[in-house]
Amino acid sequence: DGGITQSPKYLFRKEGQNVTLSCEQNLNHDAMYWYRQDPGQGLRLIYYSQIVNDFQKGDIAEGYSVSREKKESFPLTVTSAQKNPTAFYLCASSVQGSDTQYFGPGTRLTVL
Amino acid sequence: GIQVEQSPPDLILQEGANSTLRCNFSDSVNNLQWFHQNPWGQLINLFYIPSGTKQNGRLSATTVATERYSLLYISSSQTTDSGVYFCAVADYSGGSNYKLTFGKGTLLTVNP
Repeated sequence: DGGITQSPKYLFRKEGQNVTLSCEQNLNHDAMYWYRQDPGQGLRLIYYSQIVNDFQKGDIAEGYSVSREKKESFPLTVTSAQKNPTAFYLCASSVQGSDTQYFGPGTRLTVL
Repeated sequence: GIQVEQSPPDLILQEGANSTLRCNFSDSVNNLQWFHQNPWGQLINLFYIPSGTKQNGRLSATTVATERYSLLYISSSQTTDSGVYFCAVADYSGGSNYKLTFGKGTLLTVNP
């Protein structure tokens, strides 16, 4: 089955803790993205990566970090520096040279 | 950066009714996508439509790039059409070829 998987589906974190959200794709896509969605809002870009070992900040990168060591994986770490981390996080991927992005099922992060 | 506005923000229909959702954008875009977010949060690609008209079953979309708007038509609506519809445009400024900017969405509720 080809697609994008995100884990976990729900994540609870205490204030001051770092957490890492997983995103894996087996679509052989070169580009991967992380978005944040708040209630009643559209998606906002956190980070994106066009190729392995390279990534760029999006519109709201502060308090987040990423890595792209493998083509199929693009984990997102929400650090304690992120002031308001409770949100729905969506990962996406696309074929290099194409703008059509395909999304994973999302991870809902709640800070207790 | 580019601005994307969607209207109406909320729409309630009876099953079988038709509807038109609108997306306005503030600058020239090279690409535009429509997505449906189901009640579980999954984003599903509906159309990749930088210009022209496309149809897929009961859904169709038209983008008039020169006038900076796109329309999504839903005919004979069904309860399964409920969810949030997002318009997203690809912004080619600054070399970030694949950065999508999302509108805030239209929340559609179809009642039986």
